[in-house]
Amino acid sequence: KQEVTQIPAALSVPEGENLVLNCSFTDSAIYNLQWFRQDPGKGLTSLLLIQSSQREQTSGRLNASLDKSSGRSTLYIAASQPGDSATYLCAGNTGTASKLTFGTGTRLQVTL
Amino acid sequence: DGGITQSPKYLFRKEGQNVTLSCEQNLNHDAMYWYRQDPGQGLRLIYYSQIVNDFQKGDIAEGYSVSREKKESFPLTVTSAQKNPTAFYLCASGDWKNTEAFFGQGTRLTVV
Repeated sequence: KQEVTQIPAALSVPEGENLVLNCSFTDSAIYNLQWFRQDPGKGLTSLLLIQSSQREQTSGRLNASLDKSSGRSTLYIAASQPGDSATYLCAGNTGTASKLTFGTGTRLQVTL
Repeated sequence: DGGITQSPKYLFRKEGQNVTLSCEQNLNHDAMYWYRQDPGQGLRLIYYSQIVNDFQKGDIAEGYSVSREKKESFPLTVTSAQKNPTAFYLCASGDWKNTEAFFGQGTRLTVV
């Protein structure tokens, strides 16, 4: 059974710093890996999707990579801003059912 | 606007009462999912449906029921058999061919 772990559980950085969030998974047969953002009391907003044939995706200041052989994905946030403060979740699926297995998230705070 | 709509945003349930959470999508997605989120835990899959009139249990289906009579709708009923229903419930949809998953804004259910 796929298990997803996110480290660290919480992170506080000053504005302007570049940072990396980590996601590891136990089943290398992962198909897609998706990163989400969740603001308090809200639903999930999709940030980046790395499909099975891809190794990374970029959107603005965000870059996500996927290394299936090592069971890791990273989300890189460049030049962090206070508006980036949120919980970041990674999720992966195996097989064709698109059922996502979620990590417990990293709570990010960007301070002024 | 295309997206996923969950209602209500807040719901209160008395002991022994069944309640139904609504989820509607206009993204023309085949697959729909219900997840439960508890503090400090990742999202856990309750039920999912890949096609109309068909659905499967997820990891924590006990005490819940669903129906999928229309492609656009996937309501979740929390029955009196669910002993700890207080949680944040999230609905998602996606293409069954493993493309990106999209989430609604969630329903917060509280037992009173």
